[in-house]
Amino acid sequence: SQQGEEDPQALSIQEGENATMNCSYKTSINNLQWYRQNSGRGLVHLILIRSNEREKHSGRLRVTLDTSKKSSSLLITASRAADTASYFCATDAAQAGGTSYGKLTFGQGTILTVHP
Amino acid sequence: DAGITQSPRHKVTETGTPVTLRCHQTENHRYMYWYRQDPGHGLRLIHYSYGVKDTDKGEVSDGYSVSRSKTEDFLLTLESATSSQTSVYFCAIGLWRGYQETQYFGPGTRLLVL
Repeated sequence: SQQGEEDPQALSIQEGENATMNCSYKTSINNLQWYRQNSGRGLVHLILIRSNEREKHSGRLRVTLDTSKKSSSLLITASRAADTASYFCATDAAQAGGTSYGKLTFGQGTILTVHP
Repeated sequence: DAGITQSPRHKVTETGTPVTLRCHQTENHRYMYWYRQDPGHGLRLIHYSYGVKDTDKGEVSDGYSVSRSKTEDFLLTLESATSSQTSVYFCAIGLWRGYQETQYFGPGTRLLVL
């Protein structure tokens, strides 16, 4: 079963508004990552937050992580039409006594539409 | 920028035929991954490799095999294609960013099994 569950499944906003997407997961993690996918393309890495971090910023992106609730959120501020894409969270699960080999488990994604 | 290509980019095949998809990278990255992407399922890991001839199964490996005889190439084979394997297949390589692995994705292969 999927490690990550994302909410909402779809989000429609106007340019300039903020967009918030949420992700929940089930097991202990090394880190949580967010990826973006434009229609018909491969995924592009946006930001990584480690299990011992609570918040991270990168440009207009802000990610939070609450390991007690096993949840994360991605905030895109001052959205633009070019931000229209699908956004996925992915978790690197902690492995007892070994390496995860960087394997990721992806959520089902949030489809973001930003209207000009 | 990591160089990663997938071939073919599109393929139509018939049920029961074998199909091989190729992932090629140019920078000697150790970790490589094959995913499939289907509506409602996100991306699911099929197989991964942590070195030449070192591979292991992912979440949805049934009906698939892989080989990695050279660092730069990771091949995914559908031994006898079925309609349920119609999907978009993505290859990815592992990139180290600040002591953590992230993944860099190829452009994908659209496979239709009739």
